[in-house]
Amino acid sequence: AQSVAQPEDQVNVAEGNPLTVKCTYSVSGNPYLFWYVQYPNRGLQFLLKYITGDNLVKGSYGFEAEFNKSQTSFHLKKPSALVSDSALYFCAFLHGSSNTGKLIFGQGTTLQVKP
Amino acid sequence: GAGVSQSPSNKVTEKGKDVELRCDPISGHTALYWYRQSLGQGLEFLIYFQGNSAPDKSGLPSDRFSAERTGGSVSTLTIQRTQQEDSAVYLCASSFPAGHSTSTDTQYFGPGTRLTVL
Repeated sequence: AQSVAQPEDQVNVAEGNPLTVKCTYSVSGNPYLFWYVQYPNRGLQFLLKYITGDNLVKGSYGFEAEFNKSQTSFHLKKPSALVSDSALYFCAFLHGSSNTGKLIFGQGTTLQVKP
Repeated sequence: GAGVSQSPSNKVTEKGKDVELRCDPISGHTALYWYRQSLGQGLEFLIYFQGNSAPDKSGLPSDRFSAERTGGSVSTLTIQRTQQEDSAVYLCASSFPAGHSTSTDTQYFGPGTRLTVL
């Protein structure tokens, strides 16, 4: 079955250090991949997506992600973490086509940024 | 502009009661999705609407769950005879119509309804 996996339940990083939240995918064809963030008691906020083209995708709040086909990965990165980045992060792929597909999510990774 | 809104934000009900959850999508969005977020199951798809029809209901966990959408806008998710395992956060999302822009694949989420079944 097609899926995305987030191998880490939690990532801890010090403020100002670079952060990486990992995501690997098992999706046939050309995957549409997404990252969403969820702050406490809030809905999901869209961060960025990879559809086609440049493997390095830039998104909101200084986040970026690199699509790596050979490693089937789509890791989320930020050069310098902020305490306010602490949240729950979800990787997802679109099962189906644009505007008609459903998102299939990974398990989520809690990012903890310490001052 | 206004985002996706959901009501109520919190709902506490007794086992066996029926509940209705409401979603107002972003104006102009023709696609609407319901998801459920629970501790044990993570984030899972429930149902998808295109206009007023639901081409994909594959995620509805039982026949106690139903949803409708009227006027291509507001959607209601109904859970009959609620059970404790229905306790979860129910999230609604919407997206642009096909052909609108390259953002047709991006789903925008509401704040969710937290359902607690006692």
